[in-house]
Amino acid sequence: SQQGEEDPQALSIQEGENATMNCSYKTSINNLQWYRQNSGRGLVHLILIRSNEREKHSGRLRVTLDTSKKSSSLLITASRAADTASYFCATLRNAGGGNKLTFGTGTQLKVEL
Amino acid sequence: KAGVTQTPRYLIKTRGQQVTLSCSPISGHRSVSWYQQTPGQGLQFLFEYFSETQRNKGNFPGRFSGRQFSNSRSEMNVSTLELGDSALYLCASSYSLAGGPRTDTQYFGPGTRLTVL
Repeated sequence: SQQGEEDPQALSIQEGENATMNCSYKTSINNLQWYRQNSGRGLVHLILIRSNEREKHSGRLRVTLDTSKKSSSLLITASRAADTASYFCATLRNAGGGNKLTFGTGTQLKVEL
Repeated sequence: KAGVTQTPRYLIKTRGQQVTLSCSPISGHRSVSWYQQTPGQGLQFLFEYFSETQRNKGNFPGRFSGRQFSNSRSEMNVSTLELGDSALYLCASSYSLAGGPRTDTQYFGPGTRLTVL
């Protein structure tokens, strides 16, 4: 079952605007990762933030993590039409080894010209 | 480096049949994980293999099984297919160490889309 929920489920914005997606999870984690998926294809890793980090940047992406609220947000600045995709957060628990990622429900982002 | 490859990309089977999906990880990666993606259940973890041993397992029935070979390539098998097994099956590889908390990025393949009629 999905550990987390993502909000909003769908987001439609104009090119050049910023897009913010939120993710909530339920258990303690080792790290949280964000992935992008285009039209039912494979997942592309975007960024990883560890449980002892609060904010991380990568290009036009900014991720924040609040472990006290068990939530994370992904900000895409100056969005482009090519950013149109589904975005998923995924958490890795402190399960003592292993790579079991638990995914959120995803946000469908549409960037219009 | 070449990315994660999965074969076949598309597969159509009928109920009751069995199917084998293949995944070749990135060279040097020893961990291979499998996920099922459906519109209703989203992305769900199936299992992970590391050095030919199953290291983690999700909540799927015994009809779903897998294995990993000495070259880290992995196969996933689903027996007695049901309509609900129709899904995109994704494989992911990571470098991974033998134990301890994981921080390595997982790299996903393009997936195998299985349709069960």
